[in-house]
Amino acid sequence: QVELLQSGAEVKKPGSSVKVSCRVSGGNFRNFVISWVRQAPGQGLEWMGGIIPIFGTARYAQKFQGRVTLTTDGSTTIVYMEVSRLTSEDTAMYYCAKGLQPSRFYYGMDVWGQGTTVTVSS
Amino acid sequence: QSALTQPASVSGSPGQSITISCTGSNSDIGAYEYVSWYQHHPDKAPKLLISDVNYRPSGVSNRFSASKSGNTASLTISGLQAVDEADYYCSSYTTNFTVVFGGGTKLTVL
Repeated sequence: QVELLQSGAEVKKPGSSVKVSCRVSGGNFRNFVISWVRQAPGQGLEWMGGIIPIFGTARYAQKFQGRVTLTTDGSTTIVYMEVSRLTSEDTAMYYCAKGLQPSRFYYGMDVWGQGTTVTVSS
Repeated sequence: QSALTQPASVSGSPGQSITISCTGSNSDIGAYEYVSWYQHHPDKAPKLLISDVNYRPSGVSNRFSASKSGNTASLTISGLQAVDEADYYCSSYTTNFTVVFGGGTKLTVL
């Protein structure tokens, strides 16, 4: 049974960076899209970007282009999301999520991590 | 890419059916058959209800159904239950090869 396990809560200063990890276990899903979705307090879900670990190809929502970087580790079982130049508006719950079918960004996301709270505060 | 437009809230009584709309553009919903719907209870991870406009993943109740016409997608929940009270989000693949979510709809079961 596939599971996505995210790293723990983070508290960061404005202007700094944060790196959140998402470990995929329970099968070989290296050719499935792992997306990152965030939800700020009182706001809706927001797709930030996604990556196919086996290819290393990442796509980003225009809003996050240049400020968010998605990477994988050598074994492609861990996906990292790094957000730079943090502001208070980046305070949110961040989720990683797996695509329903392999290699395609357009399928829905069927397995989600437990979420990682990132708080940006001076 | 602007968020898709959903009503902020809908409500219904147990046993009734409700429909949530999701309006986009020719650059997202209207361009492909790749609309998904999610259910999100507070303090839990979102749950995929529908993929590819009307495909229901294994384990999702057949009380959930969806459709699309032009630039608008719809999610229908039949036989409303108290457990259905949650936030619902649509999403679509876009012509920029990215994904965009709707603003979310809060469902209240009266």
